[in-house]
Parts: sequence; C-alpha cells; structure tokens
Amino acid sequence: DAGVTQSPTHLIKTRGQQVTLRCSPKSGHDTVSWYQQALGQGPQFIFQYYEEEERQRGNFPDRFSGHQFPNYSSELNVNALLLGDSALYLCASSLVPGANTGELFFGEGSRLTVL
Amino acid sequence: KNEVEQSPQNLTAQEGEFITINCSYSVGISALHWLQQHPGGGIVSLFMLSSGKKKHGRLIATINIQEKHSSLHITASHPRDSAVYICAVRMNYGGSQGNLIFGKGTKLSVKP
Repeated sequence: DAGVTQSPTHLIKTRGQQVTLRCSPKSGHDTVSWYQQALGQGPQFIFQYYEEEERQRGNFPDRFSGHQFPNYSSELNVNALLLGDSALYLCASSLVPGANTGELFFGEGSRLTVL
Repeated sequence: KNEVEQSPQNLTAQEGEFITINCSYSVGISALHWLQQHPGGGIVSLFMLSSGKKKHGRLIATINIQEKHSSLHITASHPRDSAVYICAVRMNYGGSQGNLIFGKGTKLSVKP
C-alpha cells in the first residue's frame, strides 16, 4: 500500500518563476493538506482540498494556489517565486474533513530552493 | 506568542536515558498530534490524542486538556530515536477537521 507520494523531491528555481508540486494521497484517503516548512521551523498550513475544492486556507498570499483531481491527487502552484518561498513543502492526506479521527500521513516533501 | 510552544528546543541524552518533551498550547483543540521528523524531511505520525494517555512501544504520550499541556516520553532512549519531535494541535473548526498548528519542534540527539 503506497503511502503519500510527492514529486519532485528537490528542485531549484529562480525568483519570478512558477513552480508546481504534486501529491498523491494514501490509498483510500480523499483529503489533502499542504504545508510549508522553512528551515528550523515547524510546518505552516497552506490549504486543504476535499472534493476538488479548497476547504480551508492558512495565511498565504494568492500566489499560492492548488488543485485537486478526481483521483484525489493534488497540485500546489506557486507563482512569482520569492527567495522566502524556499522551504520544504509537505503534503498530508487523511479521510473526510469531518472525521476527526486517525493518524496523519505525510509525504517525504518537496524541497524548493529559490535563487 | 506562538499558539503551540515546545520545550526544550534541543535535547541531548545518553543512550538509555528517560526523555520528556513538553508541549503547551493556548487555543481550543479537538486533537493533538506528536510527530517525528528525520533529517531527510519526511514526517511520521506517532500519536493522536484527545484525552488521557497512549503508549506504543517505548513511547508514551499524555495530554491534560484542562491545563492545555501534553508530554511525550521516551523510555530507554536509543540513538535511532534521534530526530525532531513536533507537537501539532488540530483547531476546533465548527465540527469539521480544522487545520493543524505546529510547534517548532524539539531536536533530540541520543548519544551511544
């Protein structure tokens, strides 16, 4: 049973470029959440997708957008990259948002470096 | 002030020692998670708590809802326990699954 998979694992971009990160949730999970983790900090919530809609959003600008596909996989898009966007981007999957049960399953993350 | 505070930030222990990591939070929560993050970045969920105490192998997690405090204990610590341990709380969100707020983590190093 594959867990949460993320791609790419590492990437380097320059300021002003755009990036797309991908996440496939654990089998049977339908909710995907994205987090940004700067070096030495705890993760920060970006947004959560369920039924192909953004259900909750953290304190991130509109440059951060996402999408969820019918197969529950998800993408995180960041436009007009800034140096401060350099971070580890983590995806976590879970069951329906209303179910406050169960473990969290995280991917290994995508490490983005903006030069 | 952060909504989730962990202590200590860094912890060095000798193999075999009993370890305690603390987490305090200031918001209403529906659950608290203890997570383990290894240097590669991937995060593994250790426990989810909404009350009381849970045990898994050498790991024990407790939570006191009234005091808004949780502890993670590691008995008979081992060098392979070296990692960053993160406390995360799930906000109450009108009955739905609120987003997580994370502590900054406690970096544990266990020396042989």
